[in-house]
Amino acid sequence: AQKITQTQPGMFVQEKEAVTLDCTYDTSDPSYGLFWYKQPSSGEMIFLIYQGSYDQQNATEGRYSLNFQKARKSANLVISASQLGDSAMYFCAMREGRTGGFKTIFGAGTRLFVKA
Amino acid sequence: EAGVAQSPRYKIIEKRQSVAFWCNPISGHATLYWYQQILGQGPKLLIQFQNNGVVDDSQLPKDRFSAERLKGVDSTLKIQPAKLEDSAVYLCASSDPVKRTQYFGPGTRLLVL
Repeated sequence: AQKITQTQPGMFVQEKEAVTLDCTYDTSDPSYGLFWYKQPSSGEMIFLIYQGSYDQQNATEGRYSLNFQKARKSANLVISASQLGDSAMYFCAMREGRTGGFKTIFGAGTRLFVKA
Repeated sequence: EAGVAQSPRYKIIEKRQSVAFWCNPISGHATLYWYQQILGQGPKLLIQFQNNGVVDDSQLPKDRFSAERLKGVDSTLKIQPAKLEDSAVYLCASSDPVKRTQYFGPGTRLLVL
């Protein structure tokens, strides 16, 4: 069964330090995509980064990088040089490929608090 | 490029009333999604359209929820009659045809009293 697990309900990080948000997934579909979204208190869902299951390199987008360990089925988000504006909810999501009907599910989220 | 548009942004109704939400996806995005996000939880997919056809509505409570995308562009989600537990944010998203990255609208916050 398709499943996304985010085990950290909340995380604290000091401004300018790096933080890793955990995400593990489970799927039997060989083709899938992994996403991270940021949701500030305003409620909008902001796309951060994407990793395809066949991508050889870990995805990076500015201060965001995705630590993709396929054998362990983990897709952790690394935020470098944290800023106060990074305080928000972060959701990991997985979209299966054609075998799975392109279904998408989201994890329960991790709330990140950045301290000044 | 314009993002995903949703209206209204907020809605307060009493239980057993009806409500409808509207979504206009990003131009060129064939796939449209409606999600329900209850406070403190991740979004839950209600229905997914590919053009004007339904791809997945397995988690849509069909006794009270309905959705349509008649011309393959904008979409309407309706709840009739509403229950207290329908209080949530309803998010609409559309995805590009290559990476299928989903881009979300601002959401509609529904409060059922």
